[in-house]
Amino acid sequence: AQSVTQLGSHVSVSEGALVLLRCNYSSSVPPYLFWYVQYPNQGLQLLLKYTSAATLVKGINGFEAEFKKSETSFHLTKPSAHMSDAAEYFCAVSPVGSASKIIFGSGTRLSIRP
Amino acid sequence: DTEVTQTPKHLVMGMTNKKSLKCEQHMGHRAMYWYKQKAKKPPELMFVYSYEKLSINESVPSRFSPECPNSSLLNLHLHALQPEDSALYLCASSPREGGTDTQYFGPGTRLTVL
Repeated sequence: AQSVTQLGSHVSVSEGALVLLRCNYSSSVPPYLFWYVQYPNQGLQLLLKYTSAATLVKGINGFEAEFKKSETSFHLTKPSAHMSDAAEYFCAVSPVGSASKIIFGSGTRLSIRP
Repeated sequence: DTEVTQTPKHLVMGMTNKKSLKCEQHMGHRAMYWYKQKAKKPPELMFVYSYEKLSINESVPSRFSPECPNSSLLNLHLHALQPEDSALYLCASSPREGGTDTQYFGPGTRLTVL
C-alpha cells in the first residue's frame, strides 16, 4: 500500500528564511505526489503535483518540490517565507493513473516568526 | 469559476436527527468527492462519484448516505450519527475521476453531533 510520511508535525521559521517541509513516500513504483495547503477554517488548495514528468515541480505562491526517486522524497521548499504562508501543509500520494484515491500524510503546521 | 461551495458552514445535530450536507460546483467537473477530516488530522476519502454514479465507497457506515442528483450537485445525507462523527466534511471535484486531474476543494461543513 502507498503512504507518505511527513517529518515534523510543526515547523517554525523566521520571515524571509528558507522553508523546507519534508515528505517521504512509500511505493513499489513512483506514484503521483501532491502538496496541499490548508489555511485555518478553509478547505485544501493544491500547491503543486508530480505526475511523472519533470522532477522539479514549480507551484503556486513561490513553492516548489523536487521528486527524488533514490531518496523516495518529495520535499517542499520556498526560498523566502512570508507571514501569509502560515498554514497546515499536507503531502499526499495516489497510484499512477488514479489521482482520485489520494492518501494524505499527517500534515505539518508551518509557523512564521516576525 | 473554480469554486466549490458547501452548505451549511456549520451544523449541530442530535443523534436522532436527519440532516443533509450540500456541495455544488459549476466547473463542468464529472467527478465529485466527500472527505472527512477530524481535528488535527488529514482528510480521509469517503466517497467518489463519477458521472453521477458511485465509484468508490471507502467502507463508510450506512448512516452516511451520498447522493449525486446531477453533475453539479453532491449531497451527503446523515442519519443516526454518533458523537465521534463530529468532523469537518470536505467536498471536492475534478474534471474526471483518475488520471492526473486536480481536485478542487470546498471550504467544508463543520459538523457537531451531540
